Amino acid sequence: GAVVSQHPSRVICKSGTSVKIECRSLDFQATTMFWYRQFPKQSLMLMATSNEGSKATYEQGVEKDKFLINHASLTLSTLTVTSAHPEDSSFYICSARFPGLAGGSNEQFFGPGTRLTVL
Amino acid sequence: QKEVEQNSGPLSVPEGAIASLNCTYSDRGSQSFFWYRQYSGKSPELIMSIYSNGDKEDGRFTAQLNKASQYVSLLIRDSQPSDSATYLCAVNNFNKFYFGSGTKLNVKP
Repeated sequence: GAVVSQHPSRVICKSGTSVKIECRSLDFQATTMFWYRQFPKQSLMLMATSNEGSKATYEQGVEKDKFLINHASLTLSTLTVTSAHPEDSSFYICSARFPGLAGGSNEQFFGPGTRLTVL
Repeated sequence: QKEVEQNSGPLSVPEGAIASLNCTYSDRGSQSFFWYRQYSGKSPELIMSIYSNGDKEDGRFTAQLNKASQYVSLLIRDSQPSDSATYLCAVNNFNKFYFGSGTKLNVKP
């Protein structure tokens, strides 16, 4: 399968600081990337859909000014958690839509995730 | 009504048995269907994708799709303890993906 990397894998920060998470598609170009959040023993929650060269589409209830998403190239999307608070502590996972040989694939490949702990 | 429904489990099967995981979806216009495996503390890993009615086999895994019944299933033959994980069903409709809450599978040695 296609490879998606995510950095950092783990971050601990103080309340009020901002944290940037990078998501890269390593062996394919991804016009669409997705950002998810997962709390312990809960299902994936889609936060936003990130399209290269345009503004991200946020899901209902997700604050776009708090979770800044930038999809600057076909292989990189970043999520910045601004003014992080303890309730933002979670497992953040990105994924990239794999275009396939003819561009018709709808498969998503996930990065390994970033565990954020806000003290 | 949720877009994708799965029984949360846990589903327990003995080693070597067939594990059967089920998923229903609500939107008849859904086009693509996926099964992901997620180990505790890890991100989901794509196991199977299926796009048309019928069965699709890949090694010990078989995905089954019935669009008329809006039903997707995953069969795991010769289940191994390493198959113990949460299995997520995902459905795609016009670049919108919907995930089920997952079924936890325990394969007992």
